[in-house]
Amino acid sequence: DTGVSQDPRHKITKRGQNVTFRCDPISEHNRLYWYRQTLGQGPEFLTYFQNEAQLEKSRLLSDRFSAERPKGSFSTLEIQRTEQGDSAMYLCASGPKGYTEAFFGQGTRLTVV
Amino acid sequence: QKEVEQNSGPLSVPEGAIASLNCTYSDRGSQSFFWYRQYSGKSPELIMFIYSNGDKEDGRFTAQLNKASQYVSLLIRDSQPSDSATYLCAAILGGSYIPTFGRGTSLIVHP
Repeated sequence: DTGVSQDPRHKITKRGQNVTFRCDPISEHNRLYWYRQTLGQGPEFLTYFQNEAQLEKSRLLSDRFSAERPKGSFSTLEIQRTEQGDSAMYLCASGPKGYTEAFFGQGTRLTVV
Repeated sequence: QKEVEQNSGPLSVPEGAIASLNCTYSDRGSQSFFWYRQYSGKSPELIMFIYSNGDKEDGRFTAQLNKASQYVSLLIRDSQPSDSATYLCAAILGGSYIPTFGRGTSLIVHP
């Protein structure tokens, strides 16, 4: 499978715990996005990487959220001190250089109890 | 005003009919437009993209872009029950690299 891969697919955590999600983009895609989606809503932008550089972060992204993309390959999204409001589907997408299309992974469904 | 707007639906059409899904956007500088299909519990799947005014056809799907009126449409011909899903419209707004999404329109194709 050469698509965008996300791990884990599901995560249940207790409020206050830290969680980390991983995204492996399509090979040679230099653009990588993280989105969050809740029921009945479209994906909401969180952050954007071009290669290893984090070029944009949503102003909605609190300081409990951090993302990295070392060496411009895979990316991680960490949420510290999780809250019930963080429960959502976290989506990663990647896109090739010179184009604007973005392709999504399967998502990680987070449930904070 | 939201930057990308869609009617949440549901839009219900009979099998074999044409389903017409619409989307408007607020930024005249927007350049690239996308339609994604999302089945319940799954992630969005890119089905169409369009950059220029006019129509773009791919199989049973036609995307239409009218920059003067700032709307994008998706037509699905010969709708099938398997087309029942939420259709998300996205646009790259002026000066950005970020696809901004609407809330999606739920389509139900009934036999």
